Amino acid sequence: AQKVTQAQTEISVVEKEDVTLDCVYETRDTTYYLFWYKQPPSGELVFLIRRNSFDEQNEISGRYSWNFQKSTSSFNFTITASQVVDSAVYFCALISGGYQKVTFGTGTKLQVIP
Amino acid sequence: NAGVTQTPKFRILKIGQSMTLQCAQDMNHNYMYWYRQDPGMGLKLIYYSVGAGITDKGEVPNGYNVSRSTTEDFPLRLELAAPSQTSVYFCASSYSSGGGYEQYFGPGTRLTVT
Repeated sequence: AQKVTQAQTEISVVEKEDVTLDCVYETRDTTYYLFWYKQPPSGELVFLIRRNSFDEQNEISGRYSWNFQKSTSSFNFTITASQVVDSAVYFCALISGGYQKVTFGTGTKLQVIP
Repeated sequence: NAGVTQTPKFRILKIGQSMTLQCAQDMNHNYMYWYRQDPGMGLKLIYYSVGAGITDKGEVPNGYNVSRSTTEDFPLRLELAAPSQTSVYFCASSYSSGGGYEQYFGPGTRLTVT
């Protein structure tokens, strides 16, 4: 069985603060993929990043960065200099097991206060 | 490309009624999925399909049925609707190989069963 844990249910930050969203996963497979999705108040799901289990390089995209550590089974997401438009629910997801069964975490609701 | 489309956007059903949620994609993706998202929760996989004629159960398949007669369409059937099926339903699709491709989501169908 696989599992994704996002322990932070809700986070509030003041605009321009940095914030890190945690994601811890469990899987018995050696090949797997991790994702982050954003769900703004409008409700749609927006893909942010994909990482495979063989690539532990951290990634930066503008104000967004991701830290993947297999040793701690974590795939954390940091937003630098947060903006009001970053307010959304963020989901971490895991695919493993050879078929495209996806396990989503329960999400972290981020509120950026102006 | 329209991407992933879902109809209807909203629906109210009475207990015991049946309905079909429609999902279509025009990206020639082999893999398609149905999720439900309960308030304040993450997404749970109902059913998925790896190609026309092939479907499989996800985490919460009870009360639902699917079919995949074409690559483009993946309808979800609710039989004998129950209040527990009140949720937002998302359809998604992805490329077929490797398991490492992001899913593209439709806009969702908000279903209320009363």
